[in-house]
Amino acid sequence: GAGVSQSPSNKVTEKGKDVELRCDPISGHTALYWYRQRLGQGLEFLIYFQGNSAPDKSGLPSDRFSAERTGESVSTLTIQRTQQEDSAVYLCASSLSALGKEQFFGPGTRLTVL
Amino acid sequence: EDQVTQSPEALRLQEGESSSLNCSYTVSGLRGLFWYRQDPGKGPEFLFTLYSAGEEKEKERLKATLTKKESFLHITAPKPEDSATYLCAVRGTGFQKLVFGTGTRLLVSP
Repeated sequence: GAGVSQSPSNKVTEKGKDVELRCDPISGHTALYWYRQRLGQGLEFLIYFQGNSAPDKSGLPSDRFSAERTGESVSTLTIQRTQQEDSAVYLCASSLSALGKEQFFGPGTRLTVL
Repeated sequence: EDQVTQSPEALRLQEGESSSLNCSYTVSGLRGLFWYRQDPGKGPEFLFTLYSAGEEKEKERLKATLTKKESFLHITAPKPEDSATYLCAVRGTGFQKLVFGTGTRLLVSP
């Protein structure tokens, strides 16, 4: 079956511009996560959605970062007024439920801020 | 604070040379320790979940074990296609996110 998909695969933007990253989770997965992976560093949790519950935004690094999810489908991560330190691979994962065992990851979006 | 430390950072093996990767963790109430494989330019690929000390899981040449403080990923007679970065992560009580280590980069030479 189809896995988690993300678009675009690569995004180059200029400092100060806004960007939107998209994630399509595995069909039927109610939980969705966003992580950031900077070069040479571990994955860093950003935000978590579970069904219609309020999202866990505890990992968002600043108010320039926001994310939305409609029901149990697509999610978008928006970064406003991008900075060079935002350059990273942004990974989306989904799992069957909030108590789901495994998180399945998409291929990521590589963001480069010039 | 929940924390995961992986060692070594990088490991170079000859084909057929068995070895182990280490994942040390501190977490309040372990609700799962996860191993992932990540190839360059790709997202992490799920390998194993372990829940309690003494548990072991195997898949082909890989075997994961768990104690109360660490997990090992044993690689038996590795092949070049096992070359990848191996990531360890934990989930603790009261939260859904995974806390990741920085990974071990494995290179298996023919």
